[in-house]
Formats: sequence, structure tokens, C-alpha cells
Amino acid sequence: DQQVKQNSPSLSVQEGRISILNCDYTNSMFDYFLWYKKYPAEGPTFLISISSIKDKNEDGRFTVFLNKSAKHLSLHIVPSQPGDSAVYFCAVLYSGGGADGLTFGKGTHLIIQP
Amino acid sequence: GAGVSQSPSNKVTEKGKDVELRCDPISGHTALYWYRQSLGQGLEFLIYFQGNSAPDKSGLPSDRFSAERTGGSVSTLTIQRTQQEDSAVYLCASSLGGVYNEQFFGPGTRLTVL
Repeated sequence: DQQVKQNSPSLSVQEGRISILNCDYTNSMFDYFLWYKKYPAEGPTFLISISSIKDKNEDGRFTVFLNKSAKHLSLHIVPSQPGDSAVYFCAVLYSGGGADGLTFGKGTHLIIQP
Repeated sequence: GAGVSQSPSNKVTEKGKDVELRCDPISGHTALYWYRQSLGQGLEFLIYFQGNSAPDKSGLPSDRFSAERTGGSVSTLTIQRTQQEDSAVYLCASSLGGVYNEQFFGPGTRLTVL
């Protein structure tokens, strides 16, 4: 059973507009949330994270929002740029679990249209 | 190089053969992780090494999978008697350890079992 769900396999956004990627998780024990970005033939790279004590974290064009009651997080990219075209993975972690292996969603392929 | 490296980049094998995948983590990183990404799936955690502690093998899918980390550095993931469902991209990541330290991923090894 999937613990992390990214229900949109792909998303197309016009350059300059806002991209919103969504992620839902099932286990309320998860308390640390991350977004990774992946280009073809490369490993994922860390983008931004948020802990459960916050509901928003911003880094430049990237903002992550966390809604703990809904078990939902989202990544906003504004303005979207052509280099943002990639697969975005949501990942979650329970910090008290004794292991640091991340649980990932299946990813959303973001395509920025010129 | 400064990043995580993995070899080989591609491996094609016949069903029933054993394979070894290698990971060279970033120098000084005490934590090392193996993940795999099957077609259309998210990254699946396999195993985690932290320093000299016993590894967390909770993600290994069967006893055909094993991993070693020699001298706290290089790691080898071994898959015995490969099956077609083992076909995936195997990703290695390393970090300074601890929940909140970024995991840096290698480019992965694409394993194809015929």
C-alpha cells in the first residue's frame, strides 16, 4: 500500500506561470518532508524540505506548504523556468523511526512550455 | 570527483545470474543508502549503513539481496539468482548521517535482467 502518493504523473505549465505539485501521505507519524528533483540519467537532487513544526518553507522560487491535518504537502515554483522541467519526487521520513531511509512517491513529470 | 559515483552505469544479465553493483560515497560521509526505482514506481528504500553500526536491512525485498560496506566507505549491493522483476535503476546515496542531513544521490545503475 502506497504511503506517499503523487497523483499527477505529469504536469504541463507555461513558462513564467506558477507550477504546483502535490503530494499526499497516509501515516501521521511522518514528520519530515522533502522534495527532490531528477533529470534523466542523473540521480535525484535535494530541492527543499519542511519539518512538521512548520507549515511553510520558502527558498527562492520554491515554496513548500504542509497541511498536517490533511496529510498533504505541495511544492510551488514561481515563476516557472524551462530548466525546471524534470521529475519531482516527494519524500517523507519519520525522524524517530531509527532509520533514515526515505519513502518516496512515484514522481510528477513537470514540463515547462516556452 | 566530489559526488557519489556508481558502477557500472548499465548492466544486462541473464535470469539466474548473480550481479554486483558498486557505490563510492562522498568522502567523509558516514551514512550510505541503497534505493531502487522500478519502472513507473517511486524510489524504494533497500538498506542503510551508518558508521560501524549494523545496517538497517528492513527494505531488502528478499534474501537474494545483500549489501556490504567495507571500511566505512565503498559499498557493494549483490543480487543473487537475478529475476526479471529485479530489473530497475539502483541508486546509492550518502550523507553526513542523521535525519536532517541531505542525502546526495549517485547517477544509478540500470539493471536489466533478461
